[in-house]
Amino acid sequence: QLQLQESGPGLVKPSETLSLTCTVSGGSVSSSSHNWGWIRQPPGKGLEWIGSIYYSGNTYYNPSLKSRVTMSVDTSKNQFSLKLNSMTAADTAVYYCARTGCSGTTCSNWFDPWGQGTLVTVSS
Amino acid sequence: DIQMTQSPSTLSASVGDRVTITCRASQSISSWLAWYQQKPGKAPKVLIYKESSLESGVPSRFSGSGSGTEFTLSISSLQPDDFATYYCQQYNSYPITFGQGTRLEIK
Repeated sequence: QLQLQESGPGLVKPSETLSLTCTVSGGSVSSSSHNWGWIRQPPGKGLEWIGSIYYSGNTYYNPSLKSRVTMSVDTSKNQFSLKLNSMTAADTAVYYCARTGCSGTTCSNWFDPWGQGTLVTVSS
Repeated sequence: DIQMTQSPSTLSASVGDRVTITCRASQSISSWLAWYQQKPGKAPKVLIYKESSLESGVPSRFSGSGSGTEFTLSISSLQPDDFATYYCQQYNSYPITFGQGTRLEIK
């Protein structure tokens, strides 16, 4: 069964860069059928898609964050990563990694499964 | 960007009730819509994808319908485990966007 686990710092200072990694187990990040996404949720608020990366390395970012986001895949470690620079208090959120869902051989951009999430607080 | 608007924001209901949550898209998304359930402190869990396809393992009391710009999630007979927050998500085009959520609470 596919599982995803986020890792990274729980506290980031303003103006610094957040680096998070999602480790995939029970499946391969190199799968040609899926892509991999990051979604965040500020405390008490709704979900915001940050971006997605395909096995090929192609990326799609939310335009609202595009200038600050970089995503990458490390097939040797079966991981994918998120970097978000120039962090501010508004970036305080639970950050989730997720895989796109599939029904049989058809995959598309709903998310299943999700990692458990990691809370990132931006504070000096 | 396609905006997703859910209504109501909060819904109070009792065990056994039938409830419906609506999600409207600012432009047509065909049937590229998913519904998620989220409980406090947990990651969202997909219930429905492609507007009406039930995710494996999800109880059949959950159903989705609609197309184009208006969609509904129905729960036929509320169970205690169903009290949670529900989100719709469009994946017709990037950027992927979510509704603001509907909190389903016990009356």
